[in-house]
Amino acid sequence: AQKVTQAQTEISVVEKEDVTLDCVYETRDTTYYLFWYKQPPSGELVFLIRRNSFDEQNEISGRYSWNFQKSTSSFNFTITASQVVDSAVYFCALNELTGGGNKLTFGTGTQLKVEL
Amino acid sequence: DGGITQSPKYLFRKEGQNVTLSCEQNLNHDAMYWYRQDPGQGLRLIYYSQIVNDFQKGDIAEGYSVSREKKESFPLTVTSAQKNPTAFYLCASTSDRGVTEAFFGQGTRLTVV
Repeated sequence: AQKVTQAQTEISVVEKEDVTLDCVYETRDTTYYLFWYKQPPSGELVFLIRRNSFDEQNEISGRYSWNFQKSTSSFNFTITASQVVDSAVYFCALNELTGGGNKLTFGTGTQLKVEL
Repeated sequence: DGGITQSPKYLFRKEGQNVTLSCEQNLNHDAMYWYRQDPGQGLRLIYYSQIVNDFQKGDIAEGYSVSREKKESFPLTVTSAQKNPTAFYLCASTSDRGVTEAFFGQGTRLTVV
Protein backbone atom coordinates (compact mmCIF):
# COMPACT_ATOMS: atom_id res chain seq x y z
CA ALA A 1 0.00 0.00 0.00
CA GLN A 2 1.10 3.51 -0.68
CA LYS A 3 1.89 5.81 2.19
CA VAL A 4 2.98 9.40 2.68
CA THR A 5 4.50 10.56 5.95
CA GLN A 6 4.78 14.14 7.05
CA ALA A 7 6.35 13.81 10.47
CA GLN A 8 6.19 17.52 11.31
CA THR A 9 2.72 18.27 12.60
CA GLU A 10 3.33 21.97 13.23
CA ILE A 11 6.21 24.35 12.58
CA SER A 12 6.49 27.93 13.82
CA VAL A 13 9.02 30.35 12.40
CA VAL A 14 9.67 34.06 12.46
CA GLU A 15 9.23 35.96 9.24
CA LYS A 16 12.25 35.86 6.90
CA GLU A 17 13.46 32.55 8.29
CA ASP A 18 13.90 29.64 5.89
CA VAL A 19 11.81 26.55 6.62
CA THR A 20 11.83 23.02 5.23
CA LEU A 21 8.80 20.75 5.25
CA ASP A 22 9.61 17.06 5.09
CA CYS A 23 7.82 14.40 3.07
CA VAL A 24 8.69 10.70 2.93
CA TYR A 25 6.73 8.29 0.76
CA GLU A 26 6.35 4.55 0.21
CA THR A 27 5.24 2.94 -3.02
CA ARG A 28 5.85 -0.25 -4.98
CA ASP A 29 5.20 1.49 -8.28
CA THR A 30 8.18 2.36 -10.44
CA THR A 31 6.26 5.19 -12.04
CA TYR A 32 4.58 7.62 -9.72
CA TYR A 33 3.94 11.29 -9.19
CA LEU A 34 4.38 13.46 -6.14
CA PHE A 35 2.54 16.66 -5.36
CA TRP A 36 2.58 19.49 -2.85
CA TYR A 37 -0.59 21.41 -2.02
CA LYS A 38 -1.17 24.43 0.20
CA GLN A 39 -4.35 24.77 2.27
CA PRO A 40 -4.89 28.35 3.46
CA PRO A 41 -7.49 29.12 6.15
CA SER A 42 -10.15 29.49 3.45
CA GLY A 43 -10.07 25.71 3.03
CA GLU A 44 -9.44 24.92 -0.62
CA LEU A 45 -6.24 23.13 -1.59
CA VAL A 46 -3.97 25.03 -3.94
CA PHE A 47 -1.63 23.11 -6.21
CA LEU A 48 2.06 23.97 -5.85
CA ILE A 49 4.08 21.38 -7.75
CA ARG A 50 3.99 17.99 -9.47
CA ARG A 51 7.04 15.78 -9.92
CA ASN A 52 7.29 12.41 -11.66
CA SER A 53 9.51 9.60 -10.48
CA PHE A 54 11.87 9.87 -13.44
CA ASP A 55 12.72 13.51 -12.91
CA GLU A 56 14.99 14.00 -9.93
CA GLN A 57 15.99 17.52 -10.75
CA ASN A 58 15.36 19.96 -7.98
CA GLU A 59 13.02 22.78 -8.78
CA ILE A 60 12.90 26.39 -7.73
CA SER A 61 9.97 28.73 -8.12
CA GLY A 62 10.53 32.09 -6.53
CA ARG A 63 10.91 31.54 -2.78
CA TYR A 64 9.84 27.92 -3.08
CA SER A 65 12.15 25.01 -3.83
CA TRP A 66 11.74 21.26 -3.85
CA ASN A 67 14.31 18.54 -3.26
CA PHE A 68 13.35 15.13 -4.67
CA GLN A 69 15.61 12.25 -3.61
CA LYS A 70 14.54 8.86 -4.86
CA SER A 71 17.27 7.10 -2.88
CA THR A 72 15.68 8.19 0.39
CA SER A 73 12.07 8.36 -0.92
CA SER A 74 11.80 11.97 0.08
CA PHE A 75 10.31 15.05 -1.53
CA ASN A 76 11.05 17.98 0.74
CA PHE A 77 9.76 21.52 0.33
CA THR A 78 11.71 24.62 1.36
CA ILE A 79 10.38 28.14 1.70
CA THR A 80 13.10 30.77 1.68
CA ALA A 81 12.60 34.04 3.54
CA SER A 82 9.18 33.01 4.84
CA GLN A 83 6.33 35.50 4.99
CA VAL A 84 3.16 35.68 7.06
CA VAL A 85 1.14 34.83 3.93
CA ASP A 86 2.90 31.46 3.85
CA SER A 87 1.00 30.44 6.98
CA ALA A 88 -1.12 27.45 5.96
CA VAL A 89 -1.31 23.69 6.10
CA TYR A 90 0.89 22.02 3.51
CA PHE A 91 0.17 18.56 2.16
CA CYS A 92 2.42 16.18 0.30
CA ALA A 93 0.59 13.64 -1.87
CA LEU A 94 1.38 10.58 -3.98
CA ASN A 95 -0.48 9.64 -7.14
CA GLU A 96 -1.72 6.08 -7.43
CA LEU A 97 -1.63 5.17 -11.10
CA THR A 98 -2.88 1.60 -10.72
CA GLY A 99 -6.62 1.32 -11.22
CA GLY A 100 -6.81 4.45 -13.28
CA GLY A 101 -7.65 7.95 -12.33
CA ASN A 102 -5.65 10.52 -10.47
CA LYS A 103 -6.30 9.27 -6.97
CA LEU A 104 -4.09 10.85 -4.38
CA THR A 105 -2.71 9.47 -1.14
CA PHE A 106 -2.13 12.38 1.20
CA GLY A 107 0.16 12.86 4.14
CA THR A 108 -1.32 14.21 7.35
CA GLY A 109 -0.13 17.73 6.59
CA THR A 110 2.21 20.22 8.26
CA GLN A 111 0.75 23.36 9.80
CA LEU A 112 3.17 26.23 9.15
CA LYS A 113 2.84 29.38 11.24
CA VAL A 114 4.91 32.37 10.24
CA GLU A 115 4.96 35.14 12.82
CA LEU A 116 6.19 38.69 12.68
CA ASP B 1 -13.97 31.97 -14.10
CA GLY B 2 -13.50 28.22 -14.22
CA GLY B 3 -13.52 26.31 -11.00
CA ILE B 4 -15.27 24.05 -8.56
CA THR B 5 -18.18 25.21 -6.46
CA GLN B 6 -19.20 23.41 -3.32
CA SER B 7 -22.33 24.19 -1.38
CA PRO B 8 -23.26 24.81 1.29
CA LYS B 9 -20.15 26.02 3.08
CA TYR B 10 -21.53 24.94 6.46
CA LEU B 11 -24.08 22.21 7.04
CA PHE B 12 -25.68 20.92 10.21
CA ARG B 13 -27.28 17.52 10.38
CA LYS B 14 -29.39 15.90 13.02
CA GLU B 15 -28.73 12.34 14.05
CA GLY B 16 -30.39 9.90 11.66
CA GLN B 17 -30.76 12.31 8.74
CA ASN B 18 -29.32 12.01 5.28
CA VAL B 19 -27.74 15.14 3.82
CA THR B 20 -26.43 15.89 0.34
CA LEU B 21 -23.37 18.00 -0.41
CA SER B 22 -23.24 19.69 -3.78
CA CYS B 23 -20.20 19.84 -6.08
CA GLU B 24 -20.29 21.52 -9.50
CA GLN B 25 -17.38 22.17 -11.87
CA ASN B 26 -17.15 24.16 -15.10
CA LEU B 27 -13.64 23.05 -16.00
CA ASN B 28 -14.87 20.39 -18.42
CA HIS B 29 -12.99 17.80 -16.37
CA ASP B 30 -13.87 14.14 -16.75
CA ALA B 31 -12.89 12.93 -13.30
CA MET B 32 -14.27 14.07 -9.96
CA TYR B 33 -13.46 13.09 -6.40
CA TRP B 34 -14.72 13.42 -2.85
CA TYR B 35 -12.29 13.59 0.05
CA ARG B 36 -12.89 13.77 3.77
CA GLN B 37 -10.56 15.75 6.02
CA ASP B 38 -10.33 15.18 9.76
CA PRO B 39 -7.91 16.97 12.09
CA GLY B 40 -4.52 15.27 12.07
CA GLN B 41 -5.53 12.70 9.45
CA GLY B 42 -5.02 14.47 6.17
CA LEU B 43 -7.43 13.81 3.32
CA ARG B 44 -8.98 10.43 2.64
CA LEU B 45 -10.75 9.42 -0.57
CA ILE B 46 -14.46 8.61 -0.28
CA TYR B 47 -15.59 8.11 -3.90
CA TYR B 48 -14.39 9.03 -7.34
CA SER B 49 -15.83 9.08 -10.83
CA GLN B 50 -13.89 9.00 -14.08
CA ILE B 51 -16.88 9.28 -16.39
CA VAL B 52 -20.58 10.06 -16.32
CA ASN B 53 -22.76 7.29 -14.86
CA ASP B 54 -19.78 5.49 -13.38
CA PHE B 55 -18.08 5.80 -10.00
CA GLN B 56 -15.87 3.76 -7.69
CA LYS B 57 -15.44 3.47 -3.95
CA GLY B 58 -12.43 5.00 -2.34
CA ASP B 59 -10.86 4.10 0.98
CA ILE B 60 -13.73 5.16 3.25
CA ALA B 61 -16.94 4.77 1.22
CA GLU B 62 -19.07 3.18 3.94
CA GLY B 63 -22.00 5.40 4.90
CA TYR B 64 -21.73 7.54 1.77
CA SER B 65 -23.32 7.48 -1.68
CA VAL B 66 -22.76 9.43 -4.87
CA SER B 67 -24.21 9.89 -8.34
CA ARG B 68 -22.75 11.19 -11.59
CA GLU B 69 -25.63 11.96 -13.93
CA LYS B 70 -23.92 14.97 -15.49
CA LYS B 71 -20.28 15.68 -16.23
CA GLU B 72 -20.43 18.91 -14.24
CA SER B 73 -21.99 17.53 -11.08
CA PHE B 74 -20.93 14.98 -8.45
CA PRO B 75 -23.14 15.21 -5.34
CA LEU B 76 -22.26 13.32 -2.17
CA THR B 77 -24.90 12.01 0.20
CA VAL B 78 -23.91 11.37 3.78
CA THR B 79 -26.33 8.75 5.03
CA SER B 80 -27.47 7.92 8.53
CA ALA B 81 -25.23 4.85 8.29
CA GLN B 82 -22.16 7.06 8.55
CA LYS B 83 -21.37 6.86 12.26
CA ASN B 84 -19.07 9.84 12.51
CA PRO B 85 -19.96 12.28 9.76
CA THR B 86 -18.65 15.48 11.35
CA ALA B 87 -15.76 16.51 9.10
CA PHE B 88 -14.61 18.83 6.35
CA TYR B 89 -15.50 17.54 2.88
CA LEU B 90 -13.58 18.53 -0.23
CA CYS B 91 -14.54 17.93 -3.82
CA ALA B 92 -11.91 17.86 -6.57
CA SER B 93 -11.64 17.31 -10.29
CA THR B 94 -8.93 16.41 -12.79
CA SER B 95 -8.78 16.40 -16.55
CA ASP B 96 -8.40 13.06 -18.24
CA ARG B 97 -5.14 13.94 -19.95
CA GLY B 98 -2.54 11.93 -18.09
CA VAL B 99 -1.48 12.68 -14.55
CA THR B 100 -2.52 16.20 -13.73
CA GLU B 101 -3.04 18.29 -10.67
CA ALA B 102 -6.40 18.21 -8.97
CA PHE B 103 -8.50 21.34 -8.60
CA PHE B 104 -10.34 21.63 -5.31
CA GLY B 105 -13.47 23.36 -4.13
CA GLN B 106 -13.59 25.41 -0.95
CA GLY B 107 -15.13 22.60 1.03
CA THR B 108 -18.22 21.94 3.12
CA ARG B 109 -17.97 21.67 6.88
CA LEU B 110 -20.55 19.19 8.13
CA THR B 111 -21.49 19.08 11.80
CA VAL B 112 -23.85 16.63 13.46
CA VAL B 113 -25.99 18.26 16.12
